[in-house]
Amino acid sequence: DQQVKQNSPSLSVQEGRISILNCDYTNSMFDYFLWYKKYPAEGPTFLISISSIKDKNEDGRFTVFLNKSAKHLSLHIVPSQPGDSAVYFCAASEIDNNAGNMLTFGGGTRLMVKP
Amino acid sequence: DAGVTQSPTHLIKTRGQQVTLRCSPKSGHDTVSWYQQALGQGPQFIFQYYEEEERQRGNFPDRFSGHQFPNYSSELNVNALLLGDSALYLCASSPRAVGREQYFGPGTRLTVT
Repeated sequence: DQQVKQNSPSLSVQEGRISILNCDYTNSMFDYFLWYKKYPAEGPTFLISISSIKDKNEDGRFTVFLNKSAKHLSLHIVPSQPGDSAVYFCAASEIDNNAGNMLTFGGGTRLMVKP
Repeated sequence: DAGVTQSPTHLIKTRGQQVTLRCSPKSGHDTVSWYQQALGQGPQFIFQYYEEEERQRGNFPDRFSGHQFPNYSSELNVNALLLGDSALYLCASSPRAVGREQYFGPGTRLTVT
């Protein structure tokens, strides 16, 4: 039972255009969502996050949108650059003050930005 | 400011053996989590340590165990290795009281033959 899904294994965009990466979740208890970028032979790097009390968070070229009713979030990268080529993971967590804040990851989307 | 560090970088073991992986958290972080990433998949949560205790555990057998030391560093132990344990093992740290983001180390690539 995959609670976080990234249905597009890969995405190819032209440099300068917008990249849109999508993520769906099923667990309504998730209240915090994160995007990570991963290059080969490196660990995931935190990009941007959003709390369930918001529907948009922006940081430079990166914007994350959250649609709670649809249990869907997306990451927009504008403009896309060749250095953005990597695997992007969506992750979610639910608050549990008595335990921890484990992250549940999607399977990843490989983004290729062509010069 | 050093980020999360892990050792060793690569490791090759034989079925049935035991392995210990090590992690030092980012400065100022007191919580350490371990994840397993199989090829072509997203990371899977193994467990999380805070105040030297296992606070949360994912769907992994008892062959996977861990420890956190007073300096917040952590170890992941895997006993009776199986071929299916071959994966990238990632350590992540976070400050429990502040923020929900976790910061990852470069990982240890474990190959079981």
